[in-house]
Amino acid sequence: AQSVAQPEDQVNVAEGNPLTVKCTYSVSGNPYLFWYVQYPNRGLQFLLKYITGDNLVKGSYGFEAEFNKSQTSFHLKKPSALVSDSALYFCAVRDEGRDDKIIFGKGTRLHILP
Amino acid sequence: DTEVTQTPKHLVMGMTNKKSLKCEQHMGHRAMYWYKQKAKKPPELMFVYSYEKLSINESVPSRFSPECPNSSLLNLHLHALQPEDSALYLCASSPDRSSGNTIYFGEGSWLTVV
Repeated sequence: AQSVAQPEDQVNVAEGNPLTVKCTYSVSGNPYLFWYVQYPNRGLQFLLKYITGDNLVKGSYGFEAEFNKSQTSFHLKKPSALVSDSALYFCAVRDEGRDDKIIFGKGTRLHILP
Repeated sequence: DTEVTQTPKHLVMGMTNKKSLKCEQHMGHRAMYWYKQKAKKPPELMFVYSYEKLSINESVPSRFSPECPNSSLLNLHLHALQPEDSALYLCASSPDRSSGNTIYFGEGSWLTVV
């Protein structure tokens, strides 16, 4: 069965510092991995995804994520945090070739301190 | 354009009312989804339509009734809801159900059952 874990409920980072939001996954086949962001009272916005190819994926708003197959991880990163990055971040996984539903992690609240 | 439009944005209904949530996309996507999201939790899948046919029902109570009139529209009919059904209801779409496709979400409809 597919699963995804976001070990941190909340991450606090000072503005201008690099940020990392952690995600690990478990699938039986090859993983398709996604990051979404949700601002208060809004829907989910797609940030980036890994399907195949380069392990470093670049996405919207300066975010990037690194796929690490040996550690089954897909951590979200940004070199310099902005206060406007404060939001709820969801990692998600789908299993290649199974057309299964997307499985979301519980979410990590990112709080950027001015 | 990756826009999924949902109406209304806010809905308050009594437990004996009948109302509907509406969703529209013009991206030519052939998979459409309804999710329910409680505060600070990940979205939970309710229904999936693929090529206008219901393909997944996640054991949702019959007081929720989905409808896909055409490839651009998705409705969720509500009847005899309970206060615990109060939540953010998210519509989403993707090119089809293939695992590598990005799922795009609307801004959601906030439902309060009184």
